[in-house]
Amino acid sequence: KAGVTQTPRYLIKTRGQQVTLSCSPISGHRSVSWYQQTPGQGLQFLFEYFSETQRNKGNFPGRFSGRQFSNSRSEMNVSTLELGDSALYLCASSLVAIPNEQFFGPGTRLTVL
Amino acid sequence: QQQVKQSPQSLIVQKGGISIINCAYENTAFDYFPWYQQFPGKGPALLIAIRPDVSEKKEGRFTISFNKSAKQFSLHIMDSQPGDSATYFCAPRGTSGSRLTFGEGTQLTVNP
Repeated sequence: KAGVTQTPRYLIKTRGQQVTLSCSPISGHRSVSWYQQTPGQGLQFLFEYFSETQRNKGNFPGRFSGRQFSNSRSEMNVSTLELGDSALYLCASSLVAIPNEQFFGPGTRLTVL
Repeated sequence: QQQVKQSPQSLIVQKGGISIINCAYENTAFDYFPWYQQFPGKGPALLIAIRPDVSEKKEGRFTISFNKSAKQFSLHIMDSQPGDSATYFCAPRGTSGSRLTFGEGTQLTVNP
């Protein structure tokens, strides 16, 4: 069974640009969560989706948004990029809305110059 | 708000030794207490988890001890191996969804 896929794996953008990251969950999984990982702040929750509905949102500015499609694939978008947005963005999928195990993808490394 | 505090930040253990990582939490709404393991270049992966109605759970060389009254839980790695060298995160989950609240992480190095 294929794992969680995230594309692209690496991305370099400049300040002010916007970026879209993609996450394909494990087949059959309906829940997708996003996390930002930085050396200074660690792993922080961005948002979670279940069956196309956003269930929870973390404490991030409105420049961070996401959505989930009917096939459970998810995208997150960051507009007006700032240097501090440089991070590893991780996506996790699970079968149910309140899971015991979540499966993480390898992440997308975003660098903002 | 620092809801989950993990210690130590880094740990160096000799092969065959015991590694102990601690996690303290504030949010009493957490109801599932996993530990995740992350290797460089990879996403975190579930290692072991415990529910609050159990005080201890053992899976192979890995044991979670849970103290509900103290709002603390810990990970014990027995007979630590160089392949255990990784970053470990406690990441309790609440009741409203899949959201995990990660600790700061512990970088474990097991010397051969």
